[in-house]
Amino acid sequence: NAGVTQTPKFRVLKTGQSMTLLCAQDMNHEYMYWYRQDPGMGLRLIHYSVGEGTTAKGEVPDGYNVSRLKKQNFLLGLESAAPSQTSVYFCASSPIRTSHQPQHFGDGTRLSIL
Amino acid sequence: GEDVEQSLFLSVREGDSSVINCTYTDSSSTYLYWYKQEPGAGLQLLTYIFSNMDMKQDQRLTVLLNKKDKHLSLRIADTQTGDSAIYFCAESIGGTASKLTFGTGTRLQVTL
Repeated sequence: NAGVTQTPKFRVLKTGQSMTLLCAQDMNHEYMYWYRQDPGMGLRLIHYSVGEGTTAKGEVPDGYNVSRLKKQNFLLGLESAAPSQTSVYFCASSPIRTSHQPQHFGDGTRLSIL
Repeated sequence: GEDVEQSLFLSVREGDSSVINCTYTDSSSTYLYWYKQEPGAGLQLLTYIFSNMDMKQDQRLTVLLNKKDKHLSLRIADTQTGDSAIYFCAESIGGTASKLTFGTGTRLQVTL
């Protein structure tokens, strides 16, 4: 049971570098989300998607871009990494909202920007 | 706006009951959740409660909801060392996507 898989698990970048975090889910979920987790601040929503080809801004979208070209994948991009983006990033997915359906989370990507 | 608050740390002895508290501000919350995060892992859904319920019990877990005070609690009976983790409460406000607002998390430490 793969569920939600995030790659890579760890990464160290220099300020100004770019990278893409990949999230893949095998549960045929419609909704996908990217969060960041910082000490003492819980999880904050960066961007989310309600279906293939759609994206929307969350609480803290600045400095990030996302794409959902395939239903099973949700990519999070950092075009020019900044130290303030050092965080743990979590991807989640959930089925279409016809009844209560919880979000399923990946194990996270630890990203350090030097 | 939405705001979910939790205390940062709780220490209990093995075998005792743990009570983790959460307050939220949005009275239109539809579902309220408890997630568990073990070190180096993602969030695992423990239980949830619909906003028209007062209590939900699931084995060692009891969730109490006080809508008047906007207060949610998670009680873990017979706490074990394997329960040591960070516990997040979260609320779902509704809309087209199941967006969640998370609390800051409570770190539960279980001592022998």
